[in-house]
Amino acid sequence: DIQMTQSPSSLSASVGDRVTITCQASEDISKYVSWYQQKAGKAPNLLISDASNLEEGVPSRFSGGGSGTHFTLTITSLQPEDFATYYCQQHDGLPLTFGGGTKLE
Amino acid sequence: QVRLVQSGAEVQKPGTSVKVSCEASGYIFSSYGMHWVRQAPGQSLEWLGWINAGSGHTKMSPKFYDRVTITRDSAATTVYMEVTGLTYEDTAVYFCARGPGPYLPDFWGQGTLVTVSS
Repeated sequence: DIQMTQSPSSLSASVGDRVTITCQASEDISKYVSWYQQKAGKAPNLLISDASNLEEGVPSRFSGGGSGTHFTLTITSLQPEDFATYYCQQHDGLPLTFGGGTKLE
Repeated sequence: QVRLVQSGAEVQKPGTSVKVSCEASGYIFSSYGMHWVRQAPGQSLEWLGWINAGSGHTKMSPKFYDRVTITRDSAATTVYMEVTGLTYEDTAVYFCARGPGPYLPDFWGQGTLVTVSS
């Protein structure tokens, strides 16, 4: 299985800050990473697919980058509704695997 | 609009089975598949498997292939996920999630809490 190592596990930030979350894959997965946002007690919401493709309706302050084994999710100018947990997921091979999550607080 | 409505919370004893349903609407059911992903309390997400809603063909995680069965009822636009041989470690919220293929869950149901307790 492809392991996804996400860091940091938690991140303290304030409204208006710029934050970056990283995800390291255990092998080359090209561009096949997605990012999800999950709020407490809710289902995950897809933000980005194929490393940098912003899903429809997702604010442009979210952006993704990277390729191969190293990937990033950046949120510029944090808004109050962005405080949540974020997960990366590889979709290069089965079984699908997720990172451990980053709680933004 | 796309909707995935899952069945309600379950409490089951160890060694028994549970079957969770996911009713889909707002899109062409047979043109997509459905993933099942679970999340134990305070933990990350774990993929169980995927079904092609058109053909009924499944792709399963090796970890779960012998205990988890995914089926669909096309007339009811509903997908089912059954877990057998429940243990305390199966206590989790189980999510269904639409996926155009087996690789990208793009829209998720609300989740179903399954509690395994004696």
